[in-house]
Amino acid sequence: DAKTTQPPSMDCAEGRAANLPCNHSTISGNEYVYWYRQIHSQGPQYIIHGLKNNETNEMASLIITEDRKSSTLILPHATLRDTAVYYCIALSGTYKYIFGTGTRLKVLA
Amino acid sequence: GAVVSQHPSRVICKSGTSVKIECRSLDFQATTMFWYRQFPKQSLMLMATSNEGSKATYEQGVEKDKFLINHASLTLSTLTVTSAHPEDSSFYICSARFSQGGKTQYFGPGTRLLVL
Repeated sequence: DAKTTQPPSMDCAEGRAANLPCNHSTISGNEYVYWYRQIHSQGPQYIIHGLKNNETNEMASLIITEDRKSSTLILPHATLRDTAVYYCIALSGTYKYIFGTGTRLKVLA
Repeated sequence: GAVVSQHPSRVICKSGTSVKIECRSLDFQATTMFWYRQFPKQSLMLMATSNEGSKATYEQGVEKDKFLINHASLTLSTLTVTSAHPEDSSFYICSARFSQGGKTQYFGPGTRLLVL
């Protein structure tokens, strides 16, 4: 299972785009990249996932580099409610999630 | 869609007693459910994978006789913490995956266990 590396914390101004990076340099060809977030004392919330192509949904966009060694989660207009810990996971064929330490995003008013 | 519930949300028990936590997929069938544990200021750690109708698979270091898992139906898995001790106090979170393939896990809201 590929290991992911994320910065421990980031700040973002309310209304601005939040760009959260994730390094997964050992990812293999069939491993999906998943993003979740966890708001304090709650279960993780699914955000988005992708394999090779960039993806967008109502919550966020996921940009995966061509060599798939890194990705960026983009929250286009961050709000205070987006303050959370964001986890990037590389999912292998075992379907088990290995959570890293994540990025603690603080959205500032 | 893809809602997972847990019951109870919080539980306080005395040392030596057993506690059962339920995890339900409310609007989908889940062949596989997962149980995680999260200590304060730490990340989630996978405890076990629960498959409907078969024995759970435990991660290394997790005592299967202490953390009993039952997955009797496609919508319900239970975790029983037997003879709980203060060090078992933690945030327990379950997740479920659709039966019809798919890799995405949907998480429950978590159960906070405090053992006195």
